[in-house]
Order: sequence, then structure tokens, then C-alpha cells
Amino acid sequence: AQSVTQLDSHVSVSEGTPVLLRCNYSSSYSPSLFWYVQHPNKGLQLLLKYTSAATLVKGINGFEAEFKKSETSFHLTKPSAHMSDAAEYFCVLNQAGTALIFGKGTTLSVSS
Amino acid sequence: DAGVIQSPRHEVTEMGQEVTLRCKPISGHDYLFWYRQTMMRGLELLIYFNNNVPIDDSGMPEDRFSAKMPNASFSTLKIQPSEPRDSAVYFCASKDRGGTEAFFGQGTRLTVV
Repeated sequence: AQSVTQLDSHVSVSEGTPVLLRCNYSSSYSPSLFWYVQHPNKGLQLLLKYTSAATLVKGINGFEAEFKKSETSFHLTKPSAHMSDAAEYFCVLNQAGTALIFGKGTTLSVSS
Repeated sequence: DAGVIQSPRHEVTEMGQEVTLRCKPISGHDYLFWYRQTMMRGLELLIYFNNNVPIDDSGMPEDRFSAKMPNASFSTLKIQPSEPRDSAVYFCASKDRGGTEAFFGQGTRLTVV
């Protein structure tokens, strides 16, 4: 069965410190994986995607994620948090021909 | 392309009324998804279509919900009769074949009073 587990429902960091949002997946086949961000009262925006090319993926706003097949993980990182990064983040699994499978989401809070 | 377009953006209706949400996917995309987002349950897949054909509607909560895709450029999600617990943000998304990213609309915020 395919599934996505976001290990933290809420992460709090200080501005300027690193961000780590954790995601593990389960898939029978080679998956595509995505991180989406949702700011309050907004739609979902794609941050980055992995589709079987380079395992280290760079996205918008300084975010990146590394696909680790041996650990079935796709953690999202950013070296230095900004206040504008406060939002909800979703890890998403997709295989061709199926619907997107969303994690439960991680709320990122950034304090000054 | 203007992206996925949903209408209306906001809808307030009384319990028992029929509600119709609309979605125009990105031209050329083969897949269309309807999701519902609530604080309690997060993002739930309701139904998705491939080439206008419903593939999986197991997420549709009950018979009050129905979805159609009469052509490649239009889909509707209907709730009849609506209930307060249907209050949520409903998102439509589309993607092309091959497992690439999905593009989301801005959502419809439905409030049933």
C-alpha cells in the first residue's frame, strides 16, 4: 500500500535557524514525491519535486529535499528560516495513473 | 494558461440547499482531482477522473455528493442537500499523465449554515 507519513505535525524554529520537515513514504514502485506549501487562506503551491532524476532536489525560496530510497524518506530542509516561511507543508506521493497521496501536513512556525 | 480555475471562491448557503462547485482544469491535462480540506481531517481525496472518466470515488462521503466531468475542460462537484458538516475548503487539481506534479486551484470555501 502507498502511504505518506509526516513525522511532525508542528515544527517551531527561530528566524535564521535551519528548518527540517520530515517525510517518510511507502510505495511499491518508483514514486514521484513532492512538497507543497500552503500559506494561510491560500491554495497549494509546489515547492519542489522528485521524479527519479537527481536525488537532491532544489526548490523555490531556498528549500531543498533529498530522496533516500534506503530510508524511504524525502525530508525537506532550508538552511535559514525566514518569517515568510511560516505555513503548512505537505509531503505528497504520486505514481503514474494514481491519485496524489497527501501526508497530514506539518505546520511550520517561525519566531523572531 | 491561467491555471486551474475554480468557482465560486466563497459560497455561503443554508442547510438543505443544493451547492455546485465548478472547476476548469489546465488544458491538456488528463487527470482531475477533487479534494476537501478541513481542520479535523486535513486534505481528503474525494474523487478523481482520468480522461473524463471517474476512476476512484471511494472518498466521496455519501450519496449527497456527486461529481461529473462532461468534457475535458469542466467538472462539477455537487452537494444535495448540503449540511453544516460539509463546510470546508474544496480544491480542484489537474495533472498530465506520467506522474508529474498536480496544479491546484485556489479553492472554494464553502460554509453551510
